[in-house]
Amino acid sequence: QQQVKQSPQSLIVQKGGISIINCAYENTAFDYFPWYQQFPGKGPALLIAIRPDVSEKKEGRFTISFNKSAKQFSLHIMDSQPGDSATYFCAAFVQGAQKLVFGQGTRLTINP
Amino acid sequence: DTEVTQTPKHLVMGMTNKKSLKCEQHMGHRAMYWYKQKAKKPPELMFVYSYEKLSINESVPSRFSPECPNSSLLNLHLHALQPEDSALYLCASSQWPGQQEQFFGPGTRLTVL
Repeated sequence: QQQVKQSPQSLIVQKGGISIINCAYENTAFDYFPWYQQFPGKGPALLIAIRPDVSEKKEGRFTISFNKSAKQFSLHIMDSQPGDSATYFCAAFVQGAQKLVFGQGTRLTINP
Repeated sequence: DTEVTQTPKHLVMGMTNKKSLKCEQHMGHRAMYWYKQKAKKPPELMFVYSYEKLSINESVPSRFSPECPNSSLLNLHLHALQPEDSALYLCASSQWPGQQEQFFGPGTRLTVL
């Protein structure tokens, strides 16, 4: 129940295309859903986050779509650029446990 | 200052060595975290400090010993590590315990020979 399932494991997108990464969860106690971007040799950086009372959040080229009834959320990267090539982790926060539960990660490659 | 810093960037140690990792933040955050990340895997929580007190230990072996000397500083003391402990060790902080937004440092790449 504490798991967050992320797909796909890896994704290749052409420059200018839309990258879509999906996550699903079971625990309805999760109340915060961030996405982290990690470049090789660096720590994860918070990219964008959403709470379950909102169905969509957009920041620049990055959008989170959230479906509370399906317990799914996804990251859309519009006009994908080679600089977006990184590993992306979705996560969910368990308030009482003070703990971020991470998905397994998606390695995104944007071809020029 | 809006970042978490970690030193050293890289560390190579033998199984009998004692070494320490250091993490620092000057954002006034009162919760600090240690994570371990193996290659191609997500970060795994090790310890949480809330107001300089250890609040969560995720059943981490005693060869890892955390310390929080003050609200800005977090150490991880290492002793008698195993080769399988080789990983990227990440420090993170959040404004207060239970606050969802966590800010990660760049990590220390540890290799145990």
